[in-house]
Amino acid sequence: QAVVTQEPTLTVSPGGTVTLTCGSSTGPVTSGHYPYWFQQKPGQAPRSLIYDTSNKHSWTPARFSGSLLGGKAALTLSGAQPEDEADYYCLLFYSNGRAGVFGGGTKLTVL
Amino acid sequence: QVTLKESGPALVKPTQTLTLTCTFSGFSLSTNGMRVSWIRQPPGRALEWLARIDWNGDKLYSTSLKTRLTISKDTSRNQVVLTMTNMDPDDTATYYCARGQHLLGTLNDWGQGTLVTVSS
Repeated sequence: QAVVTQEPTLTVSPGGTVTLTCGSSTGPVTSGHYPYWFQQKPGQAPRSLIYDTSNKHSWTPARFSGSLLGGKAALTLSGAQPEDEADYYCLLFYSNGRAGVFGGGTKLTVL
Repeated sequence: QVTLKESGPALVKPTQTLTLTCTFSGFSLSTNGMRVSWIRQPPGRALEWLARIDWNGDKLYSTSLKTRLTISKDTSRNQVVLTMTNMDPDDTATYYCARGQHLLGTLNDWGQGTLVTVSS
């Protein structure tokens, strides 16, 4: 099974910008991996932020955006807020979209 | 309003088979494009994608766990069932079900999760 890698920890200042990345052991991440991004706060179920690389849900704050960057999927947070402190997970699909693999998660601190 | 709720045993013994049920409301799994997935999360660790079933009966499984997993649906009862055989203490986790829609996101609405502990 493929391994999906994320930065274990990142720190951003309030109002600052940070980019989280999501890489694949099989090679460059492409739109064909249908990259997803989820936010999870302590004691809560995850919440979907981004689907299919860059699509936002109606509930996704405008300060979050998704893209492909340097062979990885990327989640950029512009104008970080204290409430953005959370764990962030990416999800990639393999085998023509038939098997999903989550990354190990990034613990984002807003400090 | 879409809701999902996971149910099943809180404790299973090693080698036993786990059966979890996701009971949902606010949508029908017979509607074109609908899909329900299972995801788990061991305490303090990362999420793990397990399986998905689509409105048309298509079933997808984790590559590493597919020999142990079976997903099924009962559209009339608004339920999706996941079975996992040969349970091991490493399978101790919170198990979530989540709803998605084709082209609109695969894990949009989540249940609260149910903690399953594997211990003798």
